[in-house]
Amino acid sequence: DTGVSQDPRHKITKRGQNVTFRCDPISEHNRLYWYRQTLGQGPEFLTYFQNEAQLEKSRLLSDRFSAERPKGSFSTLEIQRTEQGDSAMYLCASSSRTDSPLHFGNGTRLTVT
Amino acid sequence: AQKITQTQPGMFVQEKEAVTLDCTYDTSDQSYGLFWYKQPSSGEMIFLIYQGSYDEQNATEGRYSLNFQKARKSANLVISASQLGDSAMYFCAMREGPEGGSEKLVFGKGTKLTVNP
Repeated sequence: DTGVSQDPRHKITKRGQNVTFRCDPISEHNRLYWYRQTLGQGPEFLTYFQNEAQLEKSRLLSDRFSAERPKGSFSTLEIQRTEQGDSAMYLCASSSRTDSPLHFGNGTRLTVT
Repeated sequence: AQKITQTQPGMFVQEKEAVTLDCTYDTSDQSYGLFWYKQPSSGEMIFLIYQGSYDEQNATEGRYSLNFQKARKSANLVISASQLGDSAMYFCAMREGPEGGSEKLVFGKGTKLTVNP
């Protein structure tokens, strides 16, 4: 069990640029989640995959956000035309069953200047 | 309406004492799960303990126990014999059951615990 891996750890970008983050879940986990966490708040759900199927998306996930998990393994989260309000920690998590806990990665901290 | 409410923004406890962190939840599902996570200043989310809605016994994991009161819809975390390393943010979270139609975990705003020497 190597844990959930996220890349990069930090990303600084200028407003209007596109960014892409990658998440590698624990290998035997078929469920993958993306969350966003701003300072002083709990994580907010963005989207959820079971294998390669994106089964749930939050209303927080505007048209500028897109997530993929093409082969049911790693996932990418892309933000187009970034805005300063997108600055946050983006957390990826995976799990194996509905009643099992989510295992989180260390997150990608995005700063939009 | 908030699904998870943590009313204590901050808590202080003396080392070696016990502390209770409050969590109330709102759901109409019969089947759901409750989770507690710890987030140290380094940022990683660490799973602590899980309670299923049908579990008759309160969950325990080492120094962590969950005081589950279903009728009151509360799931308080009890940390016994606090250690300096317990200083962190603590988040309560709920996953509603299949009838809720969602797999997501919904988190509260968290409680910042400070353990004093």
